[in-house]
Amino acid sequence: SQQGEEDPQALSIQEGENATMNCSYKTSINNLQWYRQNSGRGLVHLILIRSNEREKHSGRLRVTLDTSKKSSSLLITASRAADTASYFCAFVQGAQKLVFGQGTRLTINP
Amino acid sequence: NAGVMQNPRHLVRRRGQEARLRCSPMKGHSHVYWYRQLPEEGLKFMVYLQKENIIDESGMPKERFSAEFPKEGPSILRIQQVVRGDSAAYFCASSPVGTGAQPQHFGDGTRLSIL
Repeated sequence: SQQGEEDPQALSIQEGENATMNCSYKTSINNLQWYRQNSGRGLVHLILIRSNEREKHSGRLRVTLDTSKKSSSLLITASRAADTASYFCAFVQGAQKLVFGQGTRLTINP
Repeated sequence: NAGVMQNPRHLVRRRGQEARLRCSPMKGHSHVYWYRQLPEEGLKFMVYLQKENIIDESGMPKERFSAEFPKEGPSILRIQQVVRGDSAAYFCASSPVGTGAQPQHFGDGTRLSIL
């Protein structure tokens, strides 16, 4: 199986700044998903972008997908302390199993 | 409208004992997935089940691990004769359909510690 790779592994920014996380993958995909995980908790689905879409918005989140480069990015605008979490990209492989990247640990400093 | 419920949240076992992890999917969801997460890492797929059927167990070790999702009751992930390397967080997720076109809903996990 081909695991997604995320960059950077850790990101620390000031509250109010924008945060950008990147994800690369190696296989063909039908869609790519982003999840958030707060410390000690399960994953929360943020956004799903299909392979025929290039950009998608949800509130302060913006996701892009470039299938030619096999990469995706997640932008969080006007970050808040509550955005502190780990963020994972994931794609479906085979019969619906999700393959996750290693994650980006985002810290928002007040 | 309860989400995915996992219990126990924390489980401590000694080497050689058995660990049983339970997962109740969201109401109306008949597809269940189990993942394992080591510290500072992403989740690794273990097994995908529908009611009374294992669809994909390609991520589950062949020995000591088993999973079931009976017609009635929660899904169970069972680890026999646990070893220190089994220490991890185990997450269950569910979805209403198995097309891959919809997100999965996750529980808060069971943190297994092996003494």
